Amino acid sequence: EAQVTQNPRYLITVTGKKLTVTCSQNMNHEYMSWYRQDPGLGLRQIYYSMNVEVTDKGDVPEGYKVSRKEKRNFPLILESPSPNQTSLYFCASSLSPGQGAGNYGYTFGSGTRLTVV
Amino acid sequence: GENVEQHPSTLSVQEGDSAVIKCTYSDSASNYFPWYKQELGKRPQLIIDIRSNVGEKKDQRIAVTLNKTAKHFSLHITETQPEDSAVYFCAAYIGGGFKTIFGAGTRLFVKA
Repeated sequence: EAQVTQNPRYLITVTGKKLTVTCSQNMNHEYMSWYRQDPGLGLRQIYYSMNVEVTDKGDVPEGYKVSRKEKRNFPLILESPSPNQTSLYFCASSLSPGQGAGNYGYTFGSGTRLTVV
Repeated sequence: GENVEQHPSTLSVQEGDSAVIKCTYSDSASNYFPWYKQELGKRPQLIIDIRSNVGEKKDQRIAVTLNKTAKHFSLHITETQPEDSAVYFCAAYIGGGFKTIFGAGTRLFVKA
């Protein structure tokens, strides 16, 4: 089954304690992205990756890091989490918009609800 | 910076009526416009999309229209059903397509 798998689904942590949210896709997609969802603000892009070892900032990258060492994996790293990073996080993958005609719509993971206290 | 405005934020319709959600984008180079449906507690799912070289696209009860000159696109749902109740997000691809901006969402209620 084609899917994007995120872990964990729920996480409560304390301010300053480094954490990683994992994301893996099995569709051989080149493009992957992380979003955070907050009430009234929709989905805001944190980072995206066009391919292995190629990443770039979205609209809200501060306080986050990513890496893309393998095509299927795109972990999100919070090195020193703060309460304002409490949010619902989604990983997503798609065909690369640079590959020409096709459906670039995202397949989203099931989400990670993060609470930083 | 680039943005996508979505209206209305909340929409309530009677079962069987039509629902229309509108989005306006700022980047004239945007060329791909997907719509996602998010049911309560679930992930967003793609329901329909449109490219900039097409004015309208239909898929059963849903359709999307695009006006590139005015930089707005709309989602139309006909013969609404209670299971259409959800939050709907529009999005626009910018910067050559590698960045995506979402609208703030529309919460649709379909009353039986």
